[in-house]
Amino acid sequence: AQKITQTQPGMFVQEKEAVTLDCTYDTSDPSYGLFWYKQPSSGEMIFLIYQGSYDQQNATEGRYSLNFQKARKSANLVISASQLGDSAMYFCAMRERSNFNKFYFGSGTKLNVKP
Amino acid sequence: GAGVSQSPSNKVTEKGKDVELRCDPISGHTALYWYRQRLGQGLEFLIYFQGNSAPDKSGLPSDRFSAERTGESVSTLTIQRTQQEDSAVYLCASSSPLGSPHLSSYNSPLHFGNGTRLTVT
Repeated sequence: AQKITQTQPGMFVQEKEAVTLDCTYDTSDPSYGLFWYKQPSSGEMIFLIYQGSYDQQNATEGRYSLNFQKARKSANLVISASQLGDSAMYFCAMRERSNFNKFYFGSGTKLNVKP
Repeated sequence: GAGVSQSPSNKVTEKGKDVELRCDPISGHTALYWYRQRLGQGLEFLIYFQGNSAPDKSGLPSDRFSAERTGESVSTLTIQRTQQEDSAVYLCASSSPLGSPHLSSYNSPLHFGNGTRLTVT
C-alpha cells in the first residue's frame, strides 16, 4: 500500500483565493511526522510546514496551514490568499518514529494560480 | 548559515561515461539522503547515510550506482556507464541529528540542495 497518497495531479486556483491540497497517509505507528514541501519550476525543494502525530492543534505557518484529521489519516495543506508565486509542485511526506530514516513522499500536486 | 550545496548544477554526458555528483550537507547534519527525480515525476529514494552507520542502499536501482560519504561531511554519488534512462535531477538532502529515535526525532525536516540535472545523450 502507498504510504502517502496525493490524489490531485493538478489544481487551479484563482489569485487571492484559498486552495486545499489533499494528502492521505498510511501508517500503524502512533508516532509520526507529516511534512509539506513546495517545488517551484526552478527545482529546489522548500520545506513549508510540519505536523506531529501528537500535536493537538493544526500547524500554521503564515499563509500555510495544515488540516490534520488523524482519524481519517489526512493532512491537507491549505494555502490562503493564493499568490502567483504559489504556482509550483507540492509534495506531502511522512516520517515514522519506528522507521525514522525513511521519508515517504507522495506523487505531488501541481498547483497553478491564475491571475 | 549555508544550506545544502550540490555540484555541478548541470551535467551533460555521453552514454557510457561515468559521472560523479557531489553533495555538501548542512554542517552538523548527520543524516544525508540522495533522491532521483525524473521529469514530471516524484522523488525516488536512492541511498541514506546516518553518521558512521552502514548506509541504507536499498533504493539504488542497479550496481552502476554507488555513493560514499566520509564521516558527516561531503557525499558523492557515482553513476558508472551512464544510460539515457539515468537522465534526471539528483537531489541531495540532509537532516539534523537524530540520536536515538526519541519522541521529537522525527520532526526534523529534510533540507534539500538545488539538485544536479543530469542529461545523458
